[in-house]
Amino acid sequence: QVQLVQSGSELKKPGASVKVSCKTSGDTLSKYAMNWVRQAPGQGLEWMGWINTKTGNPTYAQGFRGRFVFSLDTSVSTAYLQINSLKPGDTAVYYCATSISGWSMFDPWGQGTLVTVSS
Amino acid sequence: DIQMTQSPSSLSASVGDRVTITCRASQSISRYLNWYQQKPGKAPKLLIYAASSLYSGVPSRFSGSGSATHFTLTISSLQREDFATYYCQETDTMPYTFGQGTKLEIK
Repeated sequence: QVQLVQSGSELKKPGASVKVSCKTSGDTLSKYAMNWVRQAPGQGLEWMGWINTKTGNPTYAQGFRGRFVFSLDTSVSTAYLQINSLKPGDTAVYYCATSISGWSMFDPWGQGTLVTVSS
Repeated sequence: DIQMTQSPSSLSASVGDRVTITCRASQSISRYLNWYQQKPGKAPKLLIYAASSLYSGVPSRFSGSGSATHFTLTISSLQREDFATYYCQETDTMPYTFGQGTKLEIK
């Protein structure tokens, strides 16, 4: 089964950019869809969107269009989330999670990456 | 967008209790309903998919039921390791929305 390992915590200033990585192993990345989920401090889970790992086509949920970019590097089996023009409200744990077409449940999840935006 | 509403938002229970958490969808989602468990500082873990299918390795004290707009997660006999936050999620229609969570605490 696929395993996901995310990059480490980041501390950024407002206006900067951050790129979170999600490295997959154990199976072929193209068999799965890659989802991104945000969890603000003390809050619930929010689906940000997904990227088609066969075509590289991203789909963004409302509220994550414009500053958020999903990408892939299939040569290293890694998905990326880039957030531009960071705001303090972007402070959250960001998770990647795979799903398979059909019931599309999310499993497994990466361990999460805390992004803190503070001046 | 489909709205997912969980109840209760929090719940206090004792080891050995039977507990039920409810999730309602704002429109029919057939059986495209998943349940996750999240412990503090950890990623969510899949418990139940397709409303009632127990995911591999998940203890049989967990069960799910329901269809269309009304779903339940039941833990038949609470164990200490079950105290956590539980989320439902619909994967019928994008955007895939989560319920707001139910925090299960020790009484």
